[in-house]
Parts: sequence; structure tokens; C-alpha cells
Amino acid sequence: DAKTTQPPSMDCAEGRAANLPCNHSTISGNEYVYWYRQIHSQGPQYIIHGLKNNETNEMASLIITEDRKSSTLILPHATLRDTAVYYCIVRVDSNAGGTSYGKLTFGQGTILTVHP
Amino acid sequence: DAGITQSPRHKVTETGTPVTLRCHQTENHRYMYWYRQDPGHGLRLIHYSYGVKDTDKGEVSDGYSVSRSKTEDFLLTLESATSSQTSVYFCAISGTGGRDTQYFGPGTRLTVL
Repeated sequence: DAKTTQPPSMDCAEGRAANLPCNHSTISGNEYVYWYRQIHSQGPQYIIHGLKNNETNEMASLIITEDRKSSTLILPHATLRDTAVYYCIVRVDSNAGGTSYGKLTFGQGTILTVHP
Repeated sequence: DAGITQSPRHKVTETGTPVTLRCHQTENHRYMYWYRQDPGHGLRLIHYSYGVKDTDKGEVSDGYSVSRSKTEDFLLTLESATSSQTSVYFCAISGTGGRDTQYFGPGTRLTVL
């Protein structure tokens, strides 16, 4: 499975953009990059995902390098409520039981702390 | 938020007792998953289901069984709870295709004494 590497922690000032990097140098051509976050004691929350093109939704933007070996999640205007653990995941399509599902492997993630 | 509820949200039990956790969804999604989260291990897949009565093992399935008798409910059973099963358990669902995005429930914190 493709492994991801993220910095263990980052800080960001409220109102500024938070840029969270992720390395996934062993990613295969058809594997998606997913980002989730987990606010203390809550379930992981889906943020965004992409394959090769940059993506944007109401929560964030995802920038994937042309060689797909790394990506950056951008929270354009961070708020205190964005303080969480952010997980970068390479989804591997696993075949078992006669069906296929997207296997998510959660690592340790990046603890993002947004300061006033 | 995806319509996923888990019950109970918190449970304390004793070693050797059976425990059943319930995941309920209102999204009519085909796939449902059970994960556990422990410090230093991230989230690990226990079992998943790809339809009513269709289930398969994940990476940490020993000591757990599951059942899915209807689309909206996925049950996780610990036949004889052990202290090593103290954890936070999350249910997730994904759409008609197993490769669709997974959405997670709020979790159940289980303590086995």
C-alpha cells in the first residue's frame, strides 16, 4: 500500500491560509489521494479527494503535483474550529469477497493548531 | 453530515461479557465498515459489508463478528470482550460503489475492565 508522510504538527494563525503537505512517492497511477480530519473525540470528517487534477470544494483546495508524489491541502481562511488532526490517505482499491472497496489506511496525521 | 448514528456512544463492560455495537444509516448506502482507533495505530478496519448478509474481514477481525440483516443496520459483536478490545469504534458508510467516499459516524467508546 502506498505510504504517506506528513509533518506531525503545524501551527497557523486564525484567518490565514493553512497549507498541509503530504508526501506519497509510491502512489500508483489509479490511486486517489484523500484528506480527512478528526476533531477531538469525533469521527473522521471527509474533506476532499483527487486523482491528478487540483480540486476545490467549500471546505478546502487540494493541490497535487504533476508527478503525483506529493500534495497539499489548503484551508484558505483557517478558523479556531479547524484545529484538528488532518490525515492524508492514499486509497487502495482492494478486492475481496467478490467485490471491490476502497481501503483507507489512516496514519498518524498532522495536528493542526489554529491560534487566535 | 451523513446520516449515521452509533449506539451506544459509551459503554463500560467486564472481561468475558458479550457486547454488541450498532451502526444505523439513513443514506441507503450499500457498503458499511467497522473500524477501531487506538493510540499509535490510527484507524484499523475490523469488518466490512457490501450488502445485506454480505460481509468480509478486515485487518483486525479476530475476536469480532458482524451481521447485517437489513441495509440500514450493521452490528459489531464482541463475543467475549477482552481488555485489548478497549478502544473507540467507528462505523463508516460508502455509496453504491465500494470505491466511493467513506463517511464516518460519531464513534462508540468501549472500555473493557
